[in-house]
This record gives sequence, structure tokens and C-alpha cells, in this order.
Amino acid sequence: QKEVEQNSGPLSVPEGAIASLNCTYSDRVSQSFFWYRQYSGKSPELIMSIYSNGDKEDGRFTAQLNKASQYVSLLIRDSQPSDSATYLCAVNLDTGNQFYFGTGTSLTVIP
Amino acid sequence: NAGVMQNPRHLVRRRGQEARLRCSPMKGHSHVYWYRQLPEEGLKFMVYLQKENIIDESGMPKERFSAEFPKEGPSILRIQQVVRGDSAAYFCASSPWAGGDTIYFGEGSWLTVV
Repeated sequence: QKEVEQNSGPLSVPEGAIASLNCTYSDRVSQSFFWYRQYSGKSPELIMSIYSNGDKEDGRFTAQLNKASQYVSLLIRDSQPSDSATYLCAVNLDTGNQFYFGTGTSLTVIP
Repeated sequence: NAGVMQNPRHLVRRRGQEARLRCSPMKGHSHVYWYRQLPEEGLKFMVYLQKENIIDESGMPKERFSAEFPKEGPSILRIQQVVRGDSAAYFCASSPWAGGDTIYFGEGSWLTVV
């Protein structure tokens, strides 16, 4: 499998702070990048997708992609306790349609 | 995503028994993926199927595991002669076309082998 690396954490931030989650990938042909959120005992749910270098903002979430560095990140502004979950980074190759996931970063937002 | 239906949600099997997990993709989706998630680990790709075709099974264990997606009916992940190490959450996901924008997950099937 293609490698997708994430810091497993746990990452703890106070309520209202910015949470920064990072992901690196090994395959240069990766074309599409996704962030999923997974609550304990639940299925992953898509929160962001990004395809081009740069930033993409959606509400409190900002995804950042740097293909040259093979790096994608997720920033969560004004973190809320309800953001406490595991965040999974996923990449999709241009061919084959496989989606590969990292092991996830556990985030805890402290009230 | 509630549109992808998996059953059973929880399944308990004794060692040596067979487990069958079913997945009905979202309406209009013809591509199905199966992932396994062990406790405290990430999602591991197992197999990617289209109707009546296995496209990529590079993540499937060589023995005891098989998957199908018939022309009619749900996709089935079958585990024969289960062992305790098979205890995991099995997630199904679907997409509408090859290279689709993203995949949508079902609620998962939790297999416990005792």
C-alpha cells in the first residue's frame, strides 16, 4: 500500500484555539486529498477535500496542500469540544481509484 | 453516510465459523470498497469492486477472505474459519464512478471473534 503518515497524537488544544493536523504521503502520483473525521465507534465522515496546491477554506476548517513537499494539513479554527475526534488523512491515486488512509490523529479539545 | 447500508452492525462468531458482512451502496453508486480497522489503528484498504468485477484486491489476505458484488443484491465480504485476529470494524464505502470525487462510508460492521 502507498504510505500515508500522520502523527497519532494525542493532540490536545484548549477550546477556541487553532488545531493543526499534518499528513505526509509517499506517492507522487497522488492527485486528490481528503480529511475525514471519525468519532469513537462511528464511521469516517468527509469534512474536506483538496486537489490543488494552496489553501482551501470551509467554515472553521482550512486544508493546505503542498504537492512538492508531499504534505497536506488541516487547520481547525476556534476549536470546540465537539471537534474532539480522530482525523484521518486520505489520498487518492489518479489511477486505480484506491483511497489510502493514514492511521489518524486523535484530537482532544479541552473546555 | 446513512446512504451506505451495512449489516449486521455487530456480529459475534466463534473461532472457526464463517462471517458474512453485507453492504448496499448508496443509490446510484456502482463502486464499492471494503476497509478493515483494527482497534487503535487506521483504515486498511482491502478490496475495490464494481458490479460483478473485482477491480483491486491487493489488500485482501490471501486466505479465508473473499468478496463479491453481484449484479443484483449487496456486496458481501466473507471471512471463513475466523480467528481472533479478525476481530475488527469492517467499513464499506461507495462512490458513483471510477475516480469519483470521494467515497462515502457506511456505519460499519463490528466483528468479534470469541
